[in-house]
Amino acid sequence: DIQMTQSPSSLSASVGDRVTITCRASQGIGSDLEWYQQKPGKAPQRLIFGASSLQSGVPSRFSGTGSGTEFTLTISSLQPEDLATYYCLQDHIYPWTFGQGTKVDIK
Amino acid sequence: QVQLVQSGAEVKKPGASVKVSCKASGYTFTGYFLHWVRQAPGQGLEWMGRVNSNSGGTNIAQQFQGRVTLTRDTSISTAYMELTSLTSDDTAVYYCTRVDHWGQGTRVTVSS
Repeated sequence: DIQMTQSPSSLSASVGDRVTITCRASQGIGSDLEWYQQKPGKAPQRLIFGASSLQSGVPSRFSGTGSGTEFTLTISSLQPEDLATYYCLQDHIYPWTFGQGTKVDIK
Repeated sequence: QVQLVQSGAEVKKPGASVKVSCKASGYTFTGYFLHWVRQAPGQGLEWMGRVNSNSGGTNIAQQFQGRVTLTRDTSISTAYMELTSLTSDDTAVYYCTRVDHWGQGTRVTVSS
């Protein structure tokens, strides 16, 4: 199985800060990487697919980059409503696998 | 609009089985795979498997093989996830998802 390793596991940042979350795959997955946001008590919501394509309706402050084994999710200007846990998911090969999550707190 | 509506919360005893349903609407049911993901309390997301809503073919994560059955009924646009031989480790919220849309989740509690 492909292992997905996210870092950091948690972070605290101020409103307006630029936030970066990294996801590393244990083997190459091309651009078959998605990012999800999960707010407390809610179902996850897809932010990014194909490593860098923004899901319809998602604010443009979210962006994704990377290919192969290294991927990044960036929030260009953190907003209070971005308090959530973020997960990467590889959909390159079954079984699909998630990263362990990054919890984002607002200072 | 696309909606995935799941069945209600379940409480089961160890050793029992549970079957969760996921009714789809707002799109052509057979045009998309449906995946099942679970989340234990305070834990991350775990992909369980997927069903091809058209053919019925499945892929199941190895740790669930032999205990999970994924099926669908195209006549009512509904997918099902059945998990057998439940233990307390199966206590979790179970989601069906088209990846771009998610069900609301079904809480399954396994307790004696």
